[in-house]
Amino acid sequence: EVQLLESGGGLVQPGGSLRLSCVASGLIFSNYDMTWVRQAPGKGLEWVSGISGSGGSTYYADSVKGRFTISRDNSRNTLYLQMNSLRADDTALYYCAKMGPLGLCGGDCYWGQGTLVTVSS
Amino acid sequence: DVVMTQSPLSLPVTLGQPASISCRSSQSLVYSDGHTYLNWFQQRPGQSPRRLIYKVSNRDSGVPDRFSGSGSGTDFTLKISRVEAEDVGVYYCMQGTHWPPLTFGQGTRLEI
Repeated sequence: EVQLLESGGGLVQPGGSLRLSCVASGLIFSNYDMTWVRQAPGKGLEWVSGISGSGGSTYYADSVKGRFTISRDNSRNTLYLQMNSLRADDTALYYCAKMGPLGLCGGDCYWGQGTLVTVSS
Repeated sequence: DVVMTQSPLSLPVTLGQPASISCRSSQSLVYSDGHTYLNWFQQRPGQSPRRLIYKVSNRDSGVPDRFSGSGSGTDFTLKISRVEAEDVGVYYCMQGTHWPPLTFGQGTRLEI
């Protein structure tokens, strides 16, 4: 069974930093592109960033470009999202998902349960 | 970026009755390979999103056949033939053709 488990969320002040992690199990992690999607409280879904299976290609939404960095460690089956210069409008539940270019999932799609990031003073 | 517009945003339904959600894109979603990368997701209360439909009309494994997707170009529809209580939640369309970014519709809240 495929599982994606996010961690690293929490309360941070504006301008601060956080690093989110997503540990994958039940799949050959390096074979799949991965994605971060966020959902502000009571709002819809927003794609944040994506990365190829090798980690060689990365993609960002304009709203986070230059502030967030996606990466992965295939030896640890782990996806990361380094978030710097955080703003109040980055407050959201952050999901990692097995999904890549064109919105394809390479088979079944899987999403984690999310980790909550709150940016507030 | 491609804008995805769903309607209605709220959909009251009666158990056992059909339901339909519309999704329109600001550009054609036909990709250079001839495929159309339009997905539908369901998010039940308190749960993570789950993909129901990919490439307009293909159901994911485990998705009941009362769910169907159709459409082409810029106009797409998700239909539920007979709504059941477990279908309550928010439904999102998402385009992948003009990636990055992947873009979602605003969501349609289905309620009994």
